[in-house]
Formats: sequence, C-alpha cells, structure tokens
Amino acid sequence: DSGVTQTPKHLITATGQRVTLRCSPRSGDLSVYWYQQSLDQGLQFLIHYYNGEERAKGNILERFSAQQFPDLHSELNLSSLELGDSALYFCASSVGGTPYGYTFGSGTRLTVV
Amino acid sequence: QQPVQSPQAVILREGEDAVINCSSSKALYSVHWYRQKHGEAPVFLMILLKGGEQKGHEKISASFNEKKQQSSLYLTASQLSYSGTYFCGTEITGAGSYQLTFGKGTKLSVIP
Repeated sequence: DSGVTQTPKHLITATGQRVTLRCSPRSGDLSVYWYQQSLDQGLQFLIHYYNGEERAKGNILERFSAQQFPDLHSELNLSSLELGDSALYFCASSVGGTPYGYTFGSGTRLTVV
Repeated sequence: QQPVQSPQAVILREGEDAVINCSSSKALYSVHWYRQKHGEAPVFLMILLKGGEQKGHEKISASFNEKKQQSSLYLTASQLSYSGTYFCGTEITGAGSYQLTFGKGTKLSVIP
C-alpha cells in the first residue's frame, strides 16, 4: 500500500457518459498530480493541484476537469466519454516541490464501450 | 517536450548489466526514475538534481549530465525482480510547478 488511494479500481461505462475518479493523497502530501496512461503514449500529464489550487495543466481535454478539496483529496471528472478515453488513470502525490519523488496510487482502469 | 528514452526494450540474463538512457531537448532541473511492474503503479527509484551528484540505490544507480540534458540509469548484476518498465520523468528548469514529463518507457526483461 503506497498510501495513495484511488477509487474505483475499475470502471466500465458507455460512450457519452460522465464519470468521477477519486484520489486521496498520502498523509502530509499537498500536491496531487493526475496522469493518463495508454499503451502507446506512456504517462501523459493531465493536471497538478497544490493545496487546493491548480498549478499546472498538461494536455487535458476540455471534457475533463479536476479539483482538489480542503481535505486535499482530488477528483477527476471525465465527461462525454469517447472510446479513446479508455486508459489507466493514475493519481500521484508528493510533499510538493523538488527534490521529492511522487507516490502513485494503484490507478483506475477506465473502459469506455 | 517528452524526453526520449533508449532502448525501448532490453532482455537480460540474470547477472548482466544494463544502461537506460533519457534525453531532453529542454534545460532540466531534475530527473526522476521510476519502475513499473505489469499491472502495478510506478514506483519511485531516485531523483537527480541539477548540480547534484550521481545517486545510487543498491545495485541501481544513475547519473545526470546537465550540459547534454541527459540521464542514464545503470542496473548492475541484474536480478529477476528488476523486470519491469522503467520511466524517466523530467522537470524543466523554471517551470515552477514541479510537474514531471515522462518518457515512453524502457521495458526490461530479466530471464534466468
């Protein structure tokens, strides 16, 4: 157990639907990062939150949004889902700032049918 | 901006050594290395900072050449447990958000 909790572990949904992925960071970590992992693209950065504030956005689609709540847990919302959104979504947390490494959660495998 | 890793895949016999390279076209502040086993989350191995020294972790060590914006991961006397996909993650100088951009990974298979 890495200390980063992601739920659900698996999600199967239909095209056009909306889903919410949840992440609880490791105790004491203020930063939460969301990554999408697909077979051919590796780990793609989506968004970073630090202590409730958005710090950086990667190639995140407009259909996707996220937030970090006062208790530091984070949610990633994916809407108008397409087949191509099927992937493994990882959340990672860190204390915040270099030189701390990331601790990854076990991921949510999203399958859009 | 995605760093380039090489090789894409490598097969080793137990006890052999391997080097995995990571290069970026951007000025880097830090380089992270992670290992991911099939079906599991990536696990942090080590971080190398600009101006820092070579790091080591048992039989796995790494270096960072700031002038060339390159990092190398060295695995010596490989064990079966070393199998997995290795990712480098790079932090660009001045980016300020501490986000990492990951390479596509190097799949390492260690066989008996």
